[in-house]
Amino acid sequence: EAGVAQSPRYKIIEKRQSVAFWCNPISGHATLYWYQQILGQGPKLLIQFQNNGVVDDSQLPKDRFSAERLKGVDSTLKIQPAKLEDSAVYLCASTQDRGKTQYFGPGTRLLVL
Amino acid sequence: KNEVEQSPQNLTAQEGEFITINCSYSVGISALHWLQQHPGGGIVSLFMLSSGKKKHGRLIATINIQEKHSSLHITASHPRDSAVYICAVGAGWETSGSRLTFGEGTQLTVNP
Repeated sequence: EAGVAQSPRYKIIEKRQSVAFWCNPISGHATLYWYQQILGQGPKLLIQFQNNGVVDDSQLPKDRFSAERLKGVDSTLKIQPAKLEDSAVYLCASTQDRGKTQYFGPGTRLLVL
Repeated sequence: KNEVEQSPQNLTAQEGEFITINCSYSVGISALHWLQQHPGGGIVSLFMLSSGKKKHGRLIATINIQEKHSSLHITASHPRDSAVYICAVGAGWETSGSRLTFGEGTQLTVNP
């Protein structure tokens, strides 16, 4: 079974630039999560999708972050414009159903200069 | 005070030692997860448990719901076990589905 795929693996941008991350969950997994993990901290949930609908985006900084999962499969997370404090690893996870084990992708490491 | 607290924050051990990492939480949960994160950011789910004890190879996870405490044990530790171990708790289904609250992680280093 293929795991959760994310790209790019690394990204370096200057502040105020825009960036987008892509996630392809495990086939058949209805629930998809985006997490932000700042160095030295545990991951923080940014947004949770159930199929193509948003379940929880209460911790998503909506003035600059956006995410979509148009067809209920792949998802993109965008930051526009980026700030220095957005430097982090962005993790995507998926699960077959709510409450089940989450499978994590390798993450995208973002550095904002 | 964080909803999920892990101890210790850092742990250094010699190869072969028995290791215990602790997790305490203050919220009602439907399940607790132990995750392993290697350098580079990738996270691997080790266990999901809601009661009792689970074992996988040299890893053992226990949970005490009444005391709101879980432990992750590694027997016969090996340098390849060096990683960050993260405890995460899932809230009740009736409130926020499977949203996880994460601990800060425990950095484990096993020396040969």
